[in-house]
Amino acid sequence: GAGVSQSPRYKVAKRGQDVALRCDPISGHVSLFWYQQALGQGPEFLTYFQNEAQLDKSGLPSDRFFAERPEGSVSTLKIQRTQQEDSAVYLCASSPHQGPSYEQYFGPGTRLTVT
Amino acid sequence: AQTVTQSQPEMSVQEAETVTLSCTYDTSESDYYLFWYKQPPSRQMILVIRQEAYKQQNATENRFSVNFQKAAKSFSLKISDSQLGDAAMYFCAYRSENTGNQFYFGTGTSLTVIP
Repeated sequence: GAGVSQSPRYKVAKRGQDVALRCDPISGHVSLFWYQQALGQGPEFLTYFQNEAQLDKSGLPSDRFFAERPEGSVSTLKIQRTQQEDSAVYLCASSPHQGPSYEQYFGPGTRLTVT
Repeated sequence: AQTVTQSQPEMSVQEAETVTLSCTYDTSESDYYLFWYKQPPSRQMILVIRQEAYKQQNATENRFSVNFQKAAKSFSLKISDSQLGDAAMYFCAYRSENTGNQFYFGTGTSLTVIP
């Protein structure tokens, strides 16, 4: 029973580079979420998918951030022209159903450092 | 947006003793869900306990229990018989019944267990 996996676990990027962060949710999970966790803070919502549809992207901080889930399973969060303020841990979570009562299962995160 | 406040950045407890972590939240909604998540150094968020706002009875999960005070908008976590493995960051989270996609997290409480 694999959990949510994310890759890479660590990413160092030079300012201005593009990065792509991958999330493999638990098989069959309908809902997928991306969060950004700055050092010493709680996770903050970025975006939400139900299957392949991106239903909420209100948390994306700028148009440099883009997420996709084309086949309703694996998701990629892409950050273009990275800035130092993008340095954070990016967490992915999946849930078996839509709806607020269901637990979200989190991955280990990708720590992005922009130098 | 809803706000979740954890006023204790750090807490410590002697092994086998009891500790209570505080959480308050601000909402105008009547239907919602509250969660406590644990984040060990490995970064993987793990659900500790969940409470539905419509339930008056406080949730319990083995050594973990909550004190849910809906009128006061308070949701504290009590850990009994603390164990070394309980050491972690603990995040309180709110999720709406009506716009229930994302979690709103507090800033976390770092719990140290003293042998």
